[in-house]
Amino acid sequence: QVQLVQSGAEVKKPGASVKISCRASENIFTSYYVHWVRQAPGQGLGWMGIINPSGGSTSYAQKFQGRVTMTRDTSTSTVYMELSSLRSEDTAVYYCARGGGGDWRWTDYWGQGTLVAVSS
Amino acid sequence: SYDLTQPPSVSVSPGQSANITCSGDKLGNKYPCWYQQKPGQSPVLLIYQGTKRPSGIPERFSGSNSGNTATLTISGTQAMDEADYYCQAWDGHTGMVFGTGTTVTVL
Repeated sequence: QVQLVQSGAEVKKPGASVKISCRASENIFTSYYVHWVRQAPGQGLGWMGIINPSGGSTSYAQKFQGRVTMTRDTSTSTVYMELSSLRSEDTAVYYCARGGGGDWRWTDYWGQGTLVAVSS
Repeated sequence: SYDLTQPPSVSVSPGQSANITCSGDKLGNKYPCWYQQKPGQSPVLLIYQGTKRPSGIPERFSGSNSGNTATLTISGTQAMDEADYYCQAWDGHTGMVFGTGTTVTVL
């Protein structure tokens, strides 16, 4: 079974950046898209963007344009999400999720989540 | 932007059926899917492409969609089905969109 393992929790000050990693248990990234989704405490799910690891192309939600960067390292089956200019409202659990069945329109496997706390 | 609307909560008695709706413009054409999320856990895919169930998902979970509404039905609801449920669709302009979420309580 595919596993997506994310990096550990982070505490950041306002204005800083955070970079989260998502490593796959097998080299799936040449064939599958990867999404990033976040969930603020007690809130619903919010899509941040998608990366096509085989070519590195990305598409970001308008809300995060200019602040988010998604990259990949195919040699280590790892994708990264960096969010800059952090503010308190960015406190959330961040998830990576694999595009289902090679499609980009839904997801099948999710990482365990990474808590990012933004506080002065 | 594209929005998906769900009822905030649904209550159901054990063994009964629960129906959770998700409404959005032309949702039936946007590959709706459904996720279950329990406290402190990552979402789990229940239904994709409107009606398909991944392997390992119990048959009591089923999906339907038509027009502007997708529906997740839990048949013979069990206590373990208490969770938050989210619909999700792909919109060509907005990207991946999640519904507002529904909390299912098994009374």
